[in-house]
Amino acid sequence: GENVEQHPSTLSVQEGDSAVIKCTYSDSASNYFPWYKQELGKRPQLIIDIRSNVGEKKDQRIAVTLNKTAKHFSLHITETQPEDSAVYFCAASSPNTNAGKSTFGDGTTLTVKP
Amino acid sequence: SQTIHQWPATLVQPVGSPLSLECTVEGTSNPNLYWYRQAAGRGLQLLFYSIGIDQISSEVPQNLSASRPQDRQFILSSKKLLLSDSGFYLCAWSPRTPGEAFFGQGTRLTVV
Repeated sequence: GENVEQHPSTLSVQEGDSAVIKCTYSDSASNYFPWYKQELGKRPQLIIDIRSNVGEKKDQRIAVTLNKTAKHFSLHITETQPEDSAVYFCAASSPNTNAGKSTFGDGTTLTVKP
Repeated sequence: SQTIHQWPATLVQPVGSPLSLECTVEGTSNPNLYWYRQAAGRGLQLLFYSIGIDQISSEVPQNLSASRPQDRQFILSSKKLLLSDSGFYLCAWSPRTPGEAFFGQGTRLTVV
């Protein structure tokens, strides 16, 4: 089945700096790659996603890049703010495996210091 | 629009007592359903997922079981809780083709 690895597990940046979180996946048939943000005590919620037919997607300060050849994708947050502090999860899913079951990375705890 | 309901939000149970957490989805049919557990400051541990009624896959051997008696209902159960069952339990659904996963509000279970 699919295996998703996420790095780093913790990341601390100064307010205004950029943050990058990387994920690799194993199933070359995976075609959907979402990123979720989980604030303390709350449920994970989608912040951005990308499908395999594009290499990059941007939404204001957040961007995701995908390298299908290398089977990795990354989340980029620019001009970080304290409210960006949260746990971020990447995921991957394949149409060929278990009806599109989502496989999550282990999460990255991002701390933005004011 | 689709919604997911998970209850209760918090639960304190004694060791050895039974458990039943329920999750229902509205506004979609034939969803993939998931139960995750999250220890404090840790990642999402997939416990069970289901691609259809009575089709349950267990990811991790444990003291818990899951059932899907109806298309949009997913139940997490235990006959006898252990201290190690404490954690934040999340139900989620995703469409049958790869797409966004939607999470319930979560249940914070404390076994005492």
